Amino acid sequence: DGGITQSPKYLFRKEGQNVTLSCEQNLNHDAMYWYRQDPGQGLRLIYYSQIVNDFQKGDIAEGYSVSREKKESFPLTVTSAQKNPTAFYLCASRPDRINTEAFFGQGTRLTVV
Amino acid sequence: RKEVEQDPGPFNVPEGATVAFNCTYSNSASQSFFWYRQDCRKEPKLLMSVYSSGNEDGRFTAQLNRASQYISLLIRDSKLSDSATYLCVVNFVLGNQFYFGTGTSLTVIP
Repeated sequence: DGGITQSPKYLFRKEGQNVTLSCEQNLNHDAMYWYRQDPGQGLRLIYYSQIVNDFQKGDIAEGYSVSREKKESFPLTVTSAQKNPTAFYLCASRPDRINTEAFFGQGTRLTVV
Repeated sequence: RKEVEQDPGPFNVPEGATVAFNCTYSNSASQSFFWYRQDCRKEPKLLMSVYSSGNEDGRFTAQLNRASQYISLLIRDSKLSDSATYLCVVNFVLGNQFYFGTGTSLTVIP
């Protein structure tokens, strides 16, 4: 089945550690996005990529890094520079055409312990 | 100023009621618009796209007003299963950014 997969579903990290969240899609979508959601709040854009080997910062990119070496994959690294990383992270993809919706993975819930 | 703004609610309505949500956006070059539904601790899922001519899907009606830069969602005959958070989404032409509003929480009460 086609879809977008995030892993792991739950992740615990010690303060000061980097951690990488996986996002894979087999929908042949060009554009991919990473969002962060805090309790009771909407989604805030961290990074997005429209094409392989290219990505742009969103509104809250500080403390995060991404790569887009393959069309199918858009991993997000939460670095130790991110001061408040505990949140629900959502990855999305969509075709690079107008009026097309975004499809989401099931999300990764990151907790710093 | 946020790119997309929504009234966060919460909206608590009885079953069978009609409820409307509005969402305003700041970028006049916005290209496409959507409403998503998000259940607690789940990922958002598309509810409906919003077209310039407006569109209807059963009990749900979406409208777009480009002149005033807002989109709306109307839910008629509310069901208990409609309880969720509703997110408006705007796709900007420049950079192909996909921006979400903060979401509006709806609880339908028996």
